[in-house]
Amino acid sequence: DIVMTQTPSSQAVSAGEKVTMSCKSSQSLLYSGDQKNYLAWYQQKPGQSPKLLIYLASTRESGVPDRFIGSGSGTDFTLTISSVQAEDLADYYCQQHYSYPYTFGAGTKLELK
Amino acid sequence: QVKLLQSGAALVKPGASVKMSCKASGYTFTDYWVSWVKQSHGKSLEWIGEIYPNSGATNFNEKFKGKATLTVDKSTSTAYMELSRLTSEDSAIYYCSLGAYWGQGTLVTVSS
Repeated sequence: DIVMTQTPSSQAVSAGEKVTMSCKSSQSLLYSGDQKNYLAWYQQKPGQSPKLLIYLASTRESGVPDRFIGSGSGTDFTLTISSVQAEDLADYYCQQHYSYPYTFGAGTKLELK
Repeated sequence: QVKLLQSGAALVKPGASVKMSCKASGYTFTDYWVSWVKQSHGKSLEWIGEIYPNSGATNFNEKFKGKATLTVDKSTSTAYMELSRLTSEDSAIYYCSLGAYWGQGTLVTVSS
């Protein structure tokens, strides 16, 4: 199974700050057939279902604010929030859908400083 | 708009089985794989498996083979997951998902 490692596990932030979080996979998620990285980012707020933010490592889902930026390739990926808003306080998960079983990272929790 | 409406919370006894549903609307049900995801209290997400409604084809996380059974009813655009031989480790919220769309989750509590 592909292991997804997210760091940090939690991060205290202030509104307006730039935030970056990391997701590393134990195997490359870059499919040679189409040169796409099969990595997604989800946001989950307390009591809610996960919400898709980013897919194929860097494509923003429709309706997601442009302050959310996905980057990276191969085994190293980053989710950046360019200017954190109060409503961004949540858990963030990366997931690979390159090979079965699809696996998630343990998550990064964004908290208020 | 796309909606996935899951069945309500279930309280079940150890050793029993539970079957939950995920009713889809707003898209062609047979065209997209439906995934199931487990979230234990306060923990991360685990992918259980997926089913392709058009053919009934499935892919599973080995960890959940023998535990989870996935089926669909095309006539009602509903996906089902049955969990068998329940233990306390199966207490969790279970989601159905299309990736971009998620159900609201079904809370399963295993307790005598």
